[in-house]
Amino acid sequence: AQSVSQHNHHVILSEAASLELGCNYSYGGTVNLFWYVQYPGQHLQLLLKYFSGDPLVKGIKGFEAEFIKSKFSFNLRKPSVQWSDTAEYFCAVNAGEYGNKLVFGAGTILRVKS
Amino acid sequence: GAGVSQTPSNKVTEKGKYVELRCDPISGHTALYWYRQSLGQGPEFLIYFQGTGAADDSGLPNDRFFAVRPEGSVSTLKIQRTERGDSAVYLCASSFHSSEQFFGPGTRLTVL
Repeated sequence: AQSVSQHNHHVILSEAASLELGCNYSYGGTVNLFWYVQYPGQHLQLLLKYFSGDPLVKGIKGFEAEFIKSKFSFNLRKPSVQWSDTAEYFCAVNAGEYGNKLVFGAGTILRVKS
Repeated sequence: GAGVSQTPSNKVTEKGKYVELRCDPISGHTALYWYRQSLGQGPEFLIYFQGTGAADDSGLPNDRFFAVRPEGSVSTLKIQRTERGDSAVYLCASSFHSSEQFFGPGTRLTVL
């Protein structure tokens, strides 16, 4: 079965610090990869996605993620965080063999101090 | 509205009761998904519809849970004989075929 691991459950950063959130998945075949974000009081929104092609994916609000197939990883990065990035971030995987369902990690709560 | 909507936003019920949760997907989206999110965890897949039929119901925890999408649009998740362990946020998402999924705000279910 697929599984997704997010290594840090809570991260606290100061504004302008760099961010990297780890995500590893267990499935060995072709995968589609996603990062979703949930801002306080709001619903899940797509931050970025990888289906194929360039493994470095750029998303909204200055976020990017790199797919490293050999490491089964899809880490999320942002060079300089803002207070408004305070949110919970979820990595998710979809593998064709398992249909269209998404398998989510447990989430990482990011708090940015102003 | 342009997004996925879910009603009610909150539902409090007593153990043993029956509940129905409703999802209105984005107009034109062919696929509809139900997930459940417990405190401190990521969303967990329950069931997926392609049109009117359930294409994958492997995530439904037991036969107390059932979902329908009779006209290929609105879906209802039905939970019989609710238990305290069913308390969670129930999320609905929709997509156009197999593209990215758009999530609704969720229904917070509390079973007393």
